[in-house]
Amino acid sequence: GAVVSQHPSWVICKSGTSVKIECRSLDFQATTMFWYRQFPKQSLMLMATSNEGSKATYEQGVEKDKFLINHASLTLSTLTVTSAHPEDSSFYICSAGSGGADPYEQYFGPGTRLTVT
Amino acid sequence: AQSVTQLDSQVPVFEEAPVELRCNYSSSVSVYLFWYVQYPNQGLQLLLKYLSGSTLVESINGFEAEFNKSQTSFHLRKPSVHISDTAEYFCAVRRGTGFQKLVFGTGTRLLVSP
Repeated sequence: GAVVSQHPSWVICKSGTSVKIECRSLDFQATTMFWYRQFPKQSLMLMATSNEGSKATYEQGVEKDKFLINHASLTLSTLTVTSAHPEDSSFYICSAGSGGADPYEQYFGPGTRLTVT
Repeated sequence: AQSVTQLDSQVPVFEEAPVELRCNYSSSVSVYLFWYVQYPNQGLQLLLKYLSGSTLVESINGFEAEFNKSQTSFHLRKPSVHISDTAEYFCAVRRGTGFQKLVFGTGTRLLVSP
């Protein structure tokens, strides 16, 4: 149980275009989802916290107009990178809470590799 | 605010040897502690966690970690590693209540060679 999927697993886009990444909780409902970014050989950095039906909370330094997050249902959150640039190339990982024995435990998706050319 | 320090960026070890991956944290409030493992081009998998109770926690694949409050440490150990344990290991902390964000260390790459 507690499976989180991401789509696509990798994407290549041209500079200036937008790309959407989906994060789904497959077998549980997630009221809160988190979006992380991981640069090569570095740790995960939280970008934003997404609550179903409300606006996302962004971490300091993360441009909310560039990284649009929508959490329209209890099983789906999306991250849209708008007007992507090569410096946005990174590994994006989402996580979701399952409400299990530890109601605040986060389960991670497999990640999406974004390359902006 | 919380912070996590993983002093070793890379730990090379031979197969069947013991290993310890170090993790120290800083927090002014009580925290939950986690170890995650990441295989190449994959997301994170929870290895083990400390929420409360016994300070020694174990995973199903032979890893264990001990919460030491006085030393603010949560070191990960395994008495005998396998080639398949080669991966990146992240220590993380979270405040004790609510959907508080996870704060990750910089990771330790475990390299197991035959």
